[in-house]
Amino acid sequence: GQNIDQPTEMTATEGAIVQINCTYQTSGFNGLFWYQQHAGEAPTFLSYNVLDGLEEKGRFSSFLSRSKGYSYLLLKELQMKDSASYLCAVRVSGTYKYIFGTGTRLKVLA
Amino acid sequence: DAGVIQSPRHEVTEMGQEVTLRCKPISGHDYLFWYRQTMMRGLELLIYFNNNVPIDDSGMPEDRFSAKMPNASFSTLKIQPSEPRDSAVYFCASTLSGRAKNIQYFGAGTRLSVL
Repeated sequence: GQNIDQPTEMTATEGAIVQINCTYQTSGFNGLFWYQQHAGEAPTFLSYNVLDGLEEKGRFSSFLSRSKGYSYLLLKELQMKDSASYLCAVRVSGTYKYIFGTGTRLKVLA
Repeated sequence: DAGVIQSPRHEVTEMGQEVTLRCKPISGHDYLFWYRQTMMRGLELLIYFNNNVPIDDSGMPEDRFSAKMPNASFSTLKIQPSEPRDSAVYFCASTLSGRAKNIQYFGAGTRLSVL
């Protein structure tokens, strides 16, 4: 079957660093995506990994280990506006089918 | 570009009524997706189209749900008859094939409440 696991909720302090983990089991793999979704809004693209390793983009980084079926999203220098849900998604190889996790709700406290 | 456009933004209806949700993808995108989002199940793929042709509808919950894409700039998701358990936010997304990342761009969603 297809399964993606993420923690339901996390809390962190403004200015800190937080790591959101994602593990996946899918029938084939062709890329892992992280999306940010503020309450009441649409998901927006944050990062993409298809090869093992770290991808860095400003305050956000994403890591992938295909052999372990594992990814994480690292958010540095947290700001209040980073309070949102973070969705991990895998594209199934040979298709344009994307499987999403249920998302991690991040609260950033002052 | 205006992005993916969905209508209506909110829909409140009574059990048994027909509901039609609409989507206009980003111009030039050749893939269109319909998702349903609930607290319990997260974002679930219902169906996706390529060049207006349905490719995978395995996520459509039952025969009460149907989706069409009559042309490259318009798609509908219909629920008939609607039930309270269909209450959710329905998102439409589109992407362009042939790119390395195939990022999906989402519309603002339709919040459906079935009473």
